Amino acid sequence: KNEVEQSPQNLTAQEGEFITINCSYSVGISALHWLQQHPGGGIVSLFMLSSGKKKHGRLIATINIQEKHSSLHITASHPRDSAVYICAFQGGSEKLVFGKGMKLTVNP
Amino acid sequence: DVKVTQSSRYLVKRTGEKVFLECVQDMDHENMFWYRQDPGLGLRLIYFSYDVKMKEKGDIPEGYSVSREKKERFSLILESASTNQTSMYLCASTKQYGQPQHFGDGTRLSIL
Repeated sequence: KNEVEQSPQNLTAQEGEFITINCSYSVGISALHWLQQHPGGGIVSLFMLSSGKKKHGRLIATINIQEKHSSLHITASHPRDSAVYICAFQGGSEKLVFGKGMKLTVNP
Repeated sequence: DVKVTQSSRYLVKRTGEKVFLECVQDMDHENMFWYRQDPGLGLRLIYFSYDVKMKEKGDIPEGYSVSREKKERFSLILESASTNQTSMYLCASTKQYGQPQHFGDGTRLSIL
């Protein structure tokens, strides 16, 4: 069993919709990372959080440490949000443990 | 902004060749990482380095070695390339514990 589970695995949405991507993990962590990977390969770090909520533009990330669960919300989605979204946790070292990613397609 | 540069976006090599993948970062980061990414498996850590000449095995080091002679450069070496090493390879760096990782654009390596 993967230590990081993301759901759904694929999601297709219409432009303007509110989108939620979920991530569950099975061990104690020091931080949870959300990453974005566009077609072509480059990965960008969106958020790193260890408690509560963070917001950047139309993106909001939340984490519930007790439930070992994090969500990434996208408000007013746009076709340029189409990407693979990856959740990863960090324990007591520099190493990250990654989920398999969720492919989001936003249609105009 | 941090810049992590991988030497090639696409690379085609033959079975048995020795292959070098290069990664350079320009922000004096201590930690550097090599990952491979395969469909359905996500990112897996091959090796990482926390200082010059220091390295630590990740989850899948077999068939690979690394070199870090200078702080800014971290090289991944496929000693004798095999077809099962066809993959996307990503390099990342971070200044210290608790900071986000910065990724390169990736190298899509095909071994024929």
